[in-house]
Amino acid sequence: EIVLTQSPATLSLSPGERATLSCRASQSVRSYLAWYQQKPGQAPRLLIYNASNRATGIPARFSGSGSGTDFTLTISSLEPEDFAVYYCQQRNNWPRGTFGQGTKVEIK
Amino acid sequence: EVQLVESGGGSVQPGGSLRLSCAASGFTFSSFEMNWVRQAPGKGLEWVSYISSSGSTIYYADSVMGRFTISRDNAKNSLFLQMNSLRAEDTAVYYCAKQYCSGGICYGAWFDPWGQGTLVTVSS
Repeated sequence: EIVLTQSPATLSLSPGERATLSCRASQSVRSYLAWYQQKPGQAPRLLIYNASNRATGIPARFSGSGSGTDFTLTISSLEPEDFAVYYCQQRNNWPRGTFGQGTKVEIK
Repeated sequence: EVQLVESGGGSVQPGGSLRLSCAASGFTFSSFEMNWVRQAPGKGLEWVSYISSSGSTIYYADSVMGRFTISRDNAKNSLFLQMNSLRAEDTAVYYCAKQYCSGGICYGAWFDPWGQGTLVTVSS
């Protein structure tokens, strides 16, 4: 099973700051990686797919990069609504796939 | 507007059964692949099961293989998850999720949107 390790576990930042979240795969997943945002009490929402493509309606401040085993989600300037938990997901061995354990972005 | 509404969750004893439903609206349900994903309380996400648009192709996570059965009724725009031999570790919020499509291209690998989830609690 491919294991995704997200870091850091918690990121404490202020609105307007830049957030950089990491996701590392235990083996190559090529570009089959997505990022989801989940707010308390809500379902996850797709932000980025195929490592770097923004999903429909996602603001341009969200960007994804990477391939192989190392991936990054960047939020260029945090808005109040961006404080949430972010999960990466791989589907290299579709349909089976795994999620990372999540990174919580909290207000400093 | 695409909408997915899960139901059927509740409390059950270990070894018991539950059937979850997901009512879909706002899109041509029969044309899209669907999945179930779960989230244990305070934990991360776990993919559970996949079903193709016609229902002819089905996959399960190893953790539920042989105990859970996914199905769909395209005439009724509904997705189901029959859960048998439930264990404490099956306690979770269960989400149904549609395959993501954009610009006329659909991606079986990615999920969006998701329903609001239904809570399943397995405890004696």
